[in-house]
Amino acid sequence: QKEVEQDPGPLSVPEGAIVSLNCTYSNSAFQYFMWYRQYSRKGPELLMYTYSSGNKEDGRFTAQVDKSSKYISLFIRDSQPSDSATYLCALKLNNDMRFGAGTRLTVKP
Amino acid sequence: DTGVSQDPRHKITKRGQNVTFRCDPISEHNRLYWYRQTLGQGPEFLTYFQNEAQLEKSRLLSDRFSAERPKGSFSTLEIQRTEQGDSAMYLCASSFLQGNTEAFFGQGTRLTVV
Repeated sequence: QKEVEQDPGPLSVPEGAIVSLNCTYSNSAFQYFMWYRQYSRKGPELLMYTYSSGNKEDGRFTAQVDKSSKYISLFIRDSQPSDSATYLCALKLNNDMRFGAGTRLTVKP
Repeated sequence: DTGVSQDPRHKITKRGQNVTFRCDPISEHNRLYWYRQTLGQGPEFLTYFQNEAQLEKSRLLSDRFSAERPKGSFSTLEIQRTEQGDSAMYLCASSFLQGNTEAFFGQGTRLTVV
C-alpha cells in the first residue's frame, strides 16, 4: 500500500461545476496537509495548507481534513478552464513531505 | 524576492555525461529540498538541507548523485554518469526552519538523457 493514495484521473468537468479531489493516507503521524496545483511542465504551486481536521476556505477553494479517517479533500467551486491542471496532495511531518501521484483535471468551457 | 529559482530549466545530455543543476531558494528560508518527478507521478523526495547541513538522503539518491549547499544559500545537485532512467523533472523547494511551515517549489529542471 502506498503511503499516500490519490486517484490519478483524468477528471473532466464542465465549467462552473464543483470539483472534488481526494487523497487517503496510511500514516497517522502526518500532521500537515497541503494541496499543490501543477500546470504542465511547471513546478507545483501551493494552493492550500492546513494542519487541523475540519475545513479551510480560500476563495473558490476549500480544503477538508478528516484525520480520524486519514482522508483529505480539495473542493473547487465554480470551476474555470484556468483550473485545468494536475492537483497534488502533500502530507508533511517535520522534514518529511510525501506526495500523492496527482489528479489531472480538465475544466471544459 | 521572486520565489525559488532553478537553473537551467531544461537540459539534454548524452548518457554517461555529468550534469549539475542549481537552486536558489527564497531568501531567509533555511530548509531546502530536492525532489524528482517523473511523468504521471508525484514528486519523490531525494534530499534535504537545513542551512548548509545535508540532514537526510533518500535511498533513491544513488552514489552517482551528490548535492551541496556550501554556504546555506543556493544548492547544487550533480548527477554523474547519467543514465536514461535519470530523465525526469528535478524540483527544488524551500521553507522556513521554524515550525512546520509550507514549502514553495521552483519551476524545476527538466532533464532528458539521450
